[in-house]
Amino acid sequence: QIQLVESGGGVVQPGRSLRLSCGASGFSFSSYSMYWVRQAPGKGLEWVAAISYDGLDKFYPDSVKGRLTISRDNSKNTLSLLITSLRPEDTAVYFCVGAGLYCGSGRCWWGQGALVTVSS
Amino acid sequence: QSALTQIASVSGSPGQSITISCIGTSSDIGNYNAVAWLQQHPGKAPKLIIFDVNNRPSGVSNRFSGSKSGNTASLTISGLQAEDEADYYCTSYTSTTEPVVFGGGTRLNVL
Repeated sequence: QIQLVESGGGVVQPGRSLRLSCGASGFSFSSYSMYWVRQAPGKGLEWVAAISYDGLDKFYPDSVKGRLTISRDNSKNTLSLLITSLRPEDTAVYFCVGAGLYCGSGRCWWGQGALVTVSS
Repeated sequence: QSALTQIASVSGSPGQSITISCIGTSSDIGNYNAVAWLQQHPGKAPKLIIFDVNNRPSGVSNRFSGSKSGNTASLTISGLQAEDEADYYCTSYTSTTEPVVFGGGTRLNVL
């Protein structure tokens, strides 16, 4: 059974940093690209970070470039997202997603999400 | 603004059929059969219900079906049930540098 479990969410003051983690199980973690997708309250889905299976390639949309850092530890089946200089507009549920965001061949696995609230 | 265009909301009565459209471009839907549909209930993670335009994962009801014509993908839900009330998102491969394009989502209300 494939599982992705996010942790590290919470209430954070503007300007601070936060690290989210995602533990993966049930699939060959080191074989797949991984992603972070966020969803602001009442809004749609927005991808915010992507990392290749080996961790060598990382991608971010312009909207978050420079403030978010994605990383992975294939020895521990763990994906991470560091968010710095947090802003109120970063308030969202952050989902860890495995394999592919357009779910080619039916492969896309979503975690349950971690809520990040940026507020003073 | 989302790269794929979806109507904000649609309504239907139990037993009826509804279709949700997702409008893209030749950079995504128009030239690639890599369209997926996600269902999201409030407070839950998105769930894959259609992949590669018209394929259902194991366990997904055959009341859900997908299709594509030109730059537009569609999700049809037949025999609407109360449990189908949710948000539906389309996604597609894109030839741009982005890993995906998402639709803005459609809220389905089952009256």
